[in-house]
Order: sequence, then structure tokens, then C-alpha cells
Amino acid sequence: DTGVSQDPRHKITKRGQNVTFRCDPISEHNRLYWYRQTLGQGPEFLTYFQNEAQLEKSRLLSDRFSAERPKGSFSTLEIQRTEQGDSAMYLCASSSAGGLLGGRETQYFGPGTRLLVL
Amino acid sequence: AQTVTQSQPEMSVQEAETVTLSCTYDTSESDYYLFWYKQPPSRQMILVIRQEAYKQQNATENRFSVNFQKAAKSFSLKISDSQLGDAAMYFCAYRSLTTGTASKLTFGTGTRLQVTL
Repeated sequence: DTGVSQDPRHKITKRGQNVTFRCDPISEHNRLYWYRQTLGQGPEFLTYFQNEAQLEKSRLLSDRFSAERPKGSFSTLEIQRTEQGDSAMYLCASSSAGGLLGGRETQYFGPGTRLLVL
Repeated sequence: AQTVTQSQPEMSVQEAETVTLSCTYDTSESDYYLFWYKQPPSRQMILVIRQEAYKQQNATENRFSVNFQKAAKSFSLKISDSQLGDAAMYFCAYRSLTTGTASKLTFGTGTRLQVTL
């Protein structure tokens, strides 16, 4: 078990460019979450997948954001036409759903991708 | 919607001493989980301790324990025998157990803990 990995760890881009982040969850984890963390704040939920199905999206996820999880394994988060307000740490977490109403599900976090939009 | 409040932006504790981090939350639900996560500098977030709302007994994990007051909607973390490696941001988080909702976590703004010699 190598844990949740994210790539790249850092990304600097110019306003208006598109960026794509990748998350590789712990193998066999069927749930995958994306969160955004801005400086001085706690992580905020963006979206959630169970297997390949995207089951919930936050209102924070504008139409410039899209996430996919083909084949229920790794996930990508794309931001189109980046804005300076998109600068943040993007965190991915995975978990294995189990038991009634999720039971003792624990979300394991990756190291994050820090995005800076100039 | 649920909210989580951490009113202490920073705390400091001497090595080997005990420190308590505060967390309050607001919810209309009766079944939920509460968590404390630790985020060391430039490292990933890890789970410290979890509490099921239906359990009256406070959770304990080695040097970490919680004081869960359901009626007061309070969930504090006590770290005993503090170590230098405990220095980190600590986030309190809430997870609903309502059927049909995602298991997303709602986080507070965090408390930065410094451990001094």
C-alpha cells in the first residue's frame, strides 16, 4: 500500500491556461474525493466519486472545473481558463466504503497539488 | 448545512505538557462522525482520532483523547505528553451519516500547534 499519490505536486500557470491534476488512490478504494484548501482555511469539498460515478459536486465546482474517474481507478481534475482565485492546494482523498451508512470509513489524503495562477 | 468552528488559530505547548484544542460544530442531525486530522508542514493530512456521535464514551488513541459533549456540540482534542512531532495544523472535521449524502468531510479552519522545548 503506497498511499494516495498526486501529480504534479506543484503547478505554476498563467491566468487563462488550462491545468490538469491527477490523483491515484489507494488500490481497491472505491471512493475518491477532491477538496480545495486555500491559505489559512480548512479543506473544502469539491466532488466525490464512487467507483467511476461522480455522485456529488459542490457549488464551489464552477463549470470551468471538471473531474473524471475513468474505470474507477485514478482521477483527474481539470481547470479550464484558470483565474487567480483558483490558486490553492488541491487535495485528493480515497476511502473504502463499508458497513451501514459508511460505517467506519476513513479518508486517506494525498500530499496535494499546490496551484499558483499568475 | 453543517459548520465546524475552531476558535484558536494558534496554540503553543511545551514538550511533555498537555494541550487542549477546541472545536464546536453546528448540525441538526443526530447521527454523525467527528474527526481530528493532523497536517504537518508540507506533509499530507492524517487521521488522529474519530468519534461516533452515538457513543457516549470519549475516543482515545494513545496520547490523544477527545472530550465529546454532544448536547453542547463540542469536540475538543487533548494531547498529552506533547512531542516535537506533534507540531502541525490540526483540523476538526464533521461527517454526516444521513442516507443519500456523500461521506464528505466538513472541516474547520484549523489550529496551528507549536511545540517548544
